[in-house]
Amino acid sequence: QSALTQPASVSGSPGQSITISCTGTSSDIGDYNYVSWYRQYPGKAPKLMIYDVSNRPSGISNRFSGSKSGNTASLTISGLQAEDEADYYCSSYTISSTVVFGGGTKLTVL
Amino acid sequence: QVQLQESGPGLVKASETLSLTCTVSGGSISPYYWSWIRQPAGKGLEWIGRIYSSGSSNSNPSLKSRVTMSVDTSKNQFSLKLTSVAAADTAVYYCARGGNYYYDTTGYRFDYWGQGTLVTVSS
Repeated sequence: QSALTQPASVSGSPGQSITISCTGTSSDIGDYNYVSWYRQYPGKAPKLMIYDVSNRPSGISNRFSGSKSGNTASLTISGLQAEDEADYYCSSYTISSTVVFGGGTKLTVL
Repeated sequence: QVQLQESGPGLVKASETLSLTCTVSGGSISPYYWSWIRQPAGKGLEWIGRIYSSGSSNSNPSLKSRVTMSVDTSKNQFSLKLTSVAAADTAVYYCARGGNYYYDTTGYRFDYWGQGTLVTVSS
C-alpha cells in the first residue's frame, strides 16, 4: 500500500486559516469515510484531532475541521495560533482492511 | 484515563527478532482493537498491524511476513514480534488503541497512544 500524499509544509500567520490536503486513491480515501487526522509535537506521540472525515473527539477545538472530496481529504485550521505549529498526519482505512498514513505536513506559524 | 506503555529492548541486532509489549492501564483491553505504529527518526508514521482482543489480527502487507502479534487479556497486554530486523527497522515504536469493536469495526482511528519506545537495530 502506498502512503497518502500530503504537502511537506504549509505556513500561515496567527489568526489566518490554513488547509492541509491528503490525497489517496479509490482504494482508501475515495472508498470510505474513514479518514482521521493527527497532530504531533516534536518528541511526542500523535494526538487524534479529527476522525470519520469531519468529527472532532471530545476536547478538540472547533477551529479544527475536516472534509473530503473524491480521493482527497482536507484539514482546515482556522484562527491559527502559535500552539498549532506541529506536524500533521492524515490516515485512512483501506479496502484491504489495513490503515495507511500520509507522509506528514509541517505547519509553521509565522 | 486509559494509559499505554511500551516495553522491550532498545537495541536489537540485525537479523534477530524485535519484541515489544504494550501494557494497558485505566481500562480494559476488551473489546478494542490495538495497533502498532512506528516512526523512523525525522520521517512519517507507518502502521504495522492491528490485533483485536479476541486475538484476530492483520498487518501491513509490506511487513506481513515478518510480523506476529498476540494479546494477553489476563495481563491487559498485547505484543509485537518483528523477525529478521535490519537497519531500516530502527524507529520509535508506538502502541495505540483503535476503536471499540461494537461501534467501529475498522479500528482505524487511534484515540490513545503510548509514549513510544526507540528501538535501534545494530549491525
